[in-house]
Amino acid sequence: AQSVSQHNHHVILSEAASLELGCNYSYGGTVNLFWYVQYPGQHLQLLLKYFSGDPLVKGIKGFEAEFIKSKFSFNLRKPSVQWSDTAEYFCAVSAGTYKYIFGTGTRLKVLA
Amino acid sequence: GAVVSQHPSWVICKSGTSVKIECRSLDFQATTMFWYRQFPKQSLMLMATSNEGSKATYEQGVEKDKFLINHASLTLSTLTVTSAHPEDSSFYICSARGGSQETQYFGPGTRLLVL
Repeated sequence: AQSVSQHNHHVILSEAASLELGCNYSYGGTVNLFWYVQYPGQHLQLLLKYFSGDPLVKGIKGFEAEFIKSKFSFNLRKPSVQWSDTAEYFCAVSAGTYKYIFGTGTRLKVLA
Repeated sequence: GAVVSQHPSWVICKSGTSVKIECRSLDFQATTMFWYRQFPKQSLMLMATSNEGSKATYEQGVEKDKFLINHASLTLSTLTVTSAHPEDSSFYICSARGGSQETQYFGPGTRLLVL
């Protein structure tokens, strides 16, 4: 069965630190990849997505992600986090059915 | 663009009653709408997929008679939790996609508390 793993469940960083959140999926075919963010009390918002082309994808708010097909990974990065980045981050994968499989989420806390 | 609303944002009901949650795509036509359930500090679990004008497709383990889904128009889907029980208390989130788009846009969620 297809699955999505986010190995970091909780991450605590100080402001200005660099961020990398891992996302790995298990599916051998063509996939579409997404990162969503859920700020406290708010709905999921799309950060970025990858369908094809350049494997380095830039999203909103300074986030980027790199698709490494050989590693089945789509890690999220930000060079310098801010307190306002405190949120929960979800990786999602779809594989031709429009349905998403979500990872378990990573709670990021940024200390001011 | 791509705004999805849900109503109500929260609801408290007595055990045994039914609760209807609406999901609307405000500025696009939603070919497909999805209903998720999110438990505290957990990820989103897909409950069902609904296409306008056809029956919903439920994920394994989701009771279709318990969670009735109607997708009567390209901008509205409803989830009715029938004969709600305390274990149905949860955060229900809908999402929508339009046309050939892969991207889903999410509503703000509805928190249901069954007493």
